[in-house]
Order: sequence, then structure tokens, then C-alpha cells
Amino acid sequence: EAAVTQSPRNKVTVTGGNVTLSCRQTNSHNYMYWYRQDTGHGLRLIHYSYGAGNLQIGDVPDGYKATRTTQEDFFLLLELASPSQTSLYFCASSDRQNTLYFGAGTRLSVL
Amino acid sequence: SQWGEENLQALSIQEGEDVTMNCSYKTYTTVVHWYRQDSGRGPALIILIRSNEREKRSGRLRATLDTSSQSSSLSITAAQCEDTAVYFCATVVGDNSKLIWGLGTSLVVNP
Repeated sequence: EAAVTQSPRNKVTVTGGNVTLSCRQTNSHNYMYWYRQDTGHGLRLIHYSYGAGNLQIGDVPDGYKATRTTQEDFFLLLELASPSQTSLYFCASSDRQNTLYFGAGTRLSVL
Repeated sequence: SQWGEENLQALSIQEGEDVTMNCSYKTYTTVVHWYRQDSGRGPALIILIRSNEREKRSGRLRATLDTSSQSSSLSITAAQCEDTAVYFCATVVGDNSKLIWGLGTSLVVNP
């Protein structure tokens, strides 16, 4: 069964801290995505990628970097975390019909 | 209805009732995705409808797509408590590489 696994599931850091969120998919999908979800804003796209070494800018990229090291692995980096980045983060991969398969999410708190 | 700048919609109904959620979009599209998100989990696709289908059914779910009015609906017949979730519509834009998401409809089905 297709799977998207995110780690960690929960993370607490301080303002200015360095955070890496990890995502691995076993779907053999080319596209992978990072979203953040906040009440009142729905799902907002941060970055996405269509293959290893590729990175595309999403709709809310400020303060975030991402890296796609392999077809399976996509990382989201917050190098100087701020309280405004406290959110629920989702990773997803998509098939050729643009159907997204989401991970279980990472809840990040920046104090 | 849900889209873009609109607030998250909230519906509360009794078990056994029928319910319809609406989605309107600003750009021409030929496919609409409907996802549901259960508490503590990532969204999951429940039905995908294309412009040549106009209507699509899956169990107690029924989706419609009207390209002339740029709108889609999702209906649930005889709702059950386990239908409690947030429902999102999404459509493909641009180069088919990403989805545009509505803000979601929170549905609570009471016993």
C-alpha cells in the first residue's frame, strides 16, 4: 500500500532554532509537496518537487527551505524558526492524476 | 460554499440526514478533487470528478461538476457519525503540478 511517512510527529523548538522535517514516500511518485495547515487558511503550499534535486517554490515559501535528496525523500528546513511558523505541516506525494497522498502530519511549536 | 478567501464553513446535522457541500472556483477546470480530513490525520481523496462526468457516485457520496457555473458539490446521503470530518474541494491549475484548495467545510454528524 502506498505510504507517506513524516517525522517527527511533534516538535517543539525556540525562536531562532533550526528544524528539519522529514518525509519519505514509498509510492514511486515523482511529485512531492510540503503544506502547512492553519485554522482559517486551509492548506497552503510551501514548496514542491518533481524529482530528486528539483525544487519548486510554492505559495508561502518565506522562511522555508526544502531539499529533495532522492525520489523517496523530501525535507523541509526552518533555519531560523519564528513563532509564526507554529503550524501543522503535511507532506504529500501525487500520482499522474494529481491525487495527493498525505502523511500524518508534523505539529511544530515555536516558542 | 468554499473557495479562496471565504471562511471555513461549518455544518452540524443529525444522523440520517442528507447534506450537500458546495465549492466554486475562479478559473476554468476540468477536474475537481474532494478530500476528507479526519481529526489528527492528513486529507485523503474520497472522490474525483472530471468535466465529462458531470456526476459521480461512490457509496453514499455523490459529486457534481458544472463547468458552465464553475462549481462543484459533494452530497452525502443518510449521513452517519463516522462522516464527521472536514471536507475540502481542490482543483488543478497551471501546469497540472499543484492543486488549489478550498478552505474546507467542517461537518459534524450528531447521533
